[in-house]
Amino acid sequence: GDSVTQMEGPVTLSEEAFLTINCTYTATGYPSLFWYVQYPGEGLQLLLKATKADDKGSNKGFEATYRKETTSFHLEKGSVQVSDSAVYFCALSTGGGNKLTFGTGTQLKVEL
Amino acid sequence: GAVVSQHPSWVICKSGTSVKIECRSLDFQATTMFWYRQFPKQSLMLMATSNEGSKATYEQGVEKDKFLINHASLTLSTLTVTSAHPEDSSFYICSARDTGGAGETQYFGPGTRLLVL
Repeated sequence: GDSVTQMEGPVTLSEEAFLTINCTYTATGYPSLFWYVQYPGEGLQLLLKATKADDKGSNKGFEATYRKETTSFHLEKGSVQVSDSAVYFCALSTGGGNKLTFGTGTQLKVEL
Repeated sequence: GAVVSQHPSWVICKSGTSVKIECRSLDFQATTMFWYRQFPKQSLMLMATSNEGSKATYEQGVEKDKFLINHASLTLSTLTVTSAHPEDSSFYICSARDTGGAGETQYFGPGTRLLVL
């Protein structure tokens, strides 16, 4: 079945540091890939997505590139802020988006 | 942007009682809504897919008689936890797929925290 593997957290960074959160997947067919963010006490919000190989999703300074050859969708940001502290979930969907399969989430803590 | 609301945001109930959670798409129509359960520091686990006007599709291991889902309109789905027990305490999250939108994106509600005493 489909699965998503994320690096374990928590990841603790200083403000303005470079961020990478690794995500790899296994799926039948050609999935769409997503990153969702969950701020403390809130629901999940779509951060970015990519629907086909080599697509780059980007939003709020975050970006991720759909790499079919390595089955990866790593999340990156060049300079993190304290306000980026949250839990980040990588996810995929197949079959027209009827089901999302999530990774276990990676908690990011950004300190001054 | 697309907004999904949930009500209540948190609920405490006694063991053996039933609790209903509402999920509404506020500014779009959703033929399909999804119900997830999230345990502390864990990922979201899909419980069921709710389809407007038809029966919900439950994931393996989810008791359909315990978690009743009704999707009566294009903007409302409800999850009723029947005869709740302490092990049902969890964070329940719904999402909705915009029927008229680009297709795949799910918009999530803020979640409902259930505590069964």
